[in-house]
Order: sequence, then structure tokens, then C-alpha cells
Amino acid sequence: SYELIQPPSVSVSPGQTARITCSADVLPKQYAYWYQQKPGQAPVLVIYKDSERPSGIPERFSGSSSGTTVTLTISGVQAEDEADYYCQSADTSRTWVFGGGTKLTVL
Amino acid sequence: QVQLVQSGAEAKKPGASVKVSCKASGYMFTSYGISWVRQVPGQGLEWMGWISAYNGDTNQKQKFQDRVTMTTETTTSTAYMELRSLRSDDTAVYYCARVGADNSDVFDIWGQGTMVTVSS
Repeated sequence: SYELIQPPSVSVSPGQTARITCSADVLPKQYAYWYQQKPGQAPVLVIYKDSERPSGIPERFSGSSSGTTVTLTISGVQAEDEADYYCQSADTSRTWVFGGGTKLTVL
Repeated sequence: QVQLVQSGAEAKKPGASVKVSCKASGYMFTSYGISWVRQVPGQGLEWMGWISAYNGDTNQKQKFQDRVTMTTETTTSTAYMELRSLRSDDTAVYYCARVGADNSDVFDIWGQGTMVTVSS
């Protein structure tokens, strides 16, 4: 097993760009997935396979990968984007790991 | 629409068992897997285990292997997760999530969560 390392918190002002990172040695070999979770709600998939955006997710959400780090970027952050964000990747076949989560605060 | 609907909140005493259900609709149940993820209050997401709705194959996180049983009932498109020998630190919200077809690793649809409270 391994750990996906995320910063505990990120803060940005409305309209700015938020970048949330997730790091692990396996990430060059495994896709990463990102989930948004608002208080009292179930997680929602916002990025899959490092950089693909599901239908219905706003274009301001994007993902990228470089070496052992994947990044979730939210451009033009809005107040409604304030949430916890989790990265996830595969461990062995049909087992998975979540990062510790990053709380995004919109100032 | 595609959705997973979970059973309601449970209150259990230490040492008891709990069985949470997750009813799928809007898609071919046997073409996907179901993962179970828990979230202790104020903490992050923790993957617990996975079951193939196609053939019943399972994997669990090692820490749960002795206490978790996952099953499916294809006639009703329902997945179940039973956790035994409950402790106070099992108090958490338990989610089911659909795992993508064709060996995909994406958890694309989530249930609403089931709160399990363990207290004497």
C-alpha cells in the first residue's frame, strides 16, 4: 500500500485560481481521480484519468499530471467551490487509496 | 437516472454487527462493481472493499478483512456490506460507490451515505 499526499488546506479569493496537489511515487503509472465533497453530502467525481472532466462538471475544473504529482486546478474560483477535495488512485488490482483530503476555502 | 440508494441510519452497541444495503437503478448492475468507502466524522475517505456485481469477486483493505463481508443480490440490483464486532471507532458514514466497467478505477456514482453510530 502507499499514501497519496495532499495539502490539508488551500485558500483563494473568488475569481482566482486554486491548485490542489496530490503526490505519490505510483502516480506516473496509475491514473488519478478527484472528488469534491461538500458538508453533509456524498463525494462527487470532478476529474477522472488525471485530466478528463465528466459531463456536467464546469469547465473551470481541470486536471494535470507531471511526474509523481497530479494537480486539480479550479480557474475562476466561485464561492460554491468551497469544499473538501480528495484524490484517489489504484493500489493493486481492484484496490484503491484516497488522499487525506484538501479543504478549499474561498476567502 | 443512474443512482445508488442506501439504507437508513443505524445505531448499534459495541460487539454487534451492521448490514448496510445499496440499491442500484438506472444501469446494468452486473456490468459494474461496487466499492464501500467510509468516513469517520471530521476525517477523510477510507476505501474499505470492493465487490464485482458480475461474479461476486471481492477485495478488502487488510484492516477490514476479518470483519467485513460484501455480497450482492443481482435479482434486486442490491449490494450489501456487513461489518461485524463493531467498535466505537467504527462510528462513521458508510458510502457505496459504483466502480467503472472494464477494469476502470473511477468511482462515478455514489450513494447518499449511511450513518452508523456505535455506542454503549
